[in-house]
Amino acid sequence: RKEVEQDPGPFNVPEGATVAFNCTYSNSASQSFFWYRQDCRKEPKLLMSVYSSGNEDGRFTAQLNRASQYISLLIRDSKLSDSATYLCVVNEDNFNKFYFGSGTKLNVKP
Amino acid sequence: GAGVSQSPSNKVTEKGKDVELRCDPISGHTALYWYRQSLGQGLEFLIYFQGNSAPDKSGLPSDRFSAERTGGSVSTLTIQRTQQEDSAVYLCASRTTPATNEKLFFGSGTQLSVL
Repeated sequence: RKEVEQDPGPFNVPEGATVAFNCTYSNSASQSFFWYRQDCRKEPKLLMSVYSSGNEDGRFTAQLNRASQYISLLIRDSKLSDSATYLCVVNEDNFNKFYFGSGTKLNVKP
Repeated sequence: GAGVSQSPSNKVTEKGKDVELRCDPISGHTALYWYRQSLGQGLEFLIYFQGNSAPDKSGLPSDRFSAERTGGSVSTLTIQRTQQEDSAVYLCASRTTPATNEKLFFGSGTQLSVL
């Protein structure tokens, strides 16, 4: 069983739409959670950390549900520039191991 | 400032040859990770170095894969007797410590193609 599971998509949405991605993780002892963004043929870059109380950064909102072992990312008012693959990342073993999901591809269309 | 540097950016090799991939982390970053990403897939953990501690090699897929980190800085990932299934992008990431700093900084990767 994979450590982190994501719907690969693609999610095709018009500009201005709201879109949400979910991710599930298998290890209940996982400590920290993140969303990374990866543009085509580029390296992943940290988008935001996910905190237990939920957190927001502009148009992006991340939520964590430890009981159900899932993480979500909500993007409001989608922009063309949001088109990318979004990787769910789970940390174990006191930041020594980071497990990446396969990513969810988002296409925002004009 | 300089980010994580990887070389070469592209490597084409013949099946059975050995290859060496290099990673130069951000100065002062004590933690260094190697990942592999096949086309359309997520990142597969390979190996992790933390300071002078013994590396975590639990992700290496076979004994053809090895890595070292000299002087706590530059790391080299070596693949011996390459196979076609080794074709992927090999990504290196570094992180500063202590553990409260959780952000991984990635290099641009080495695209390895085994013919």
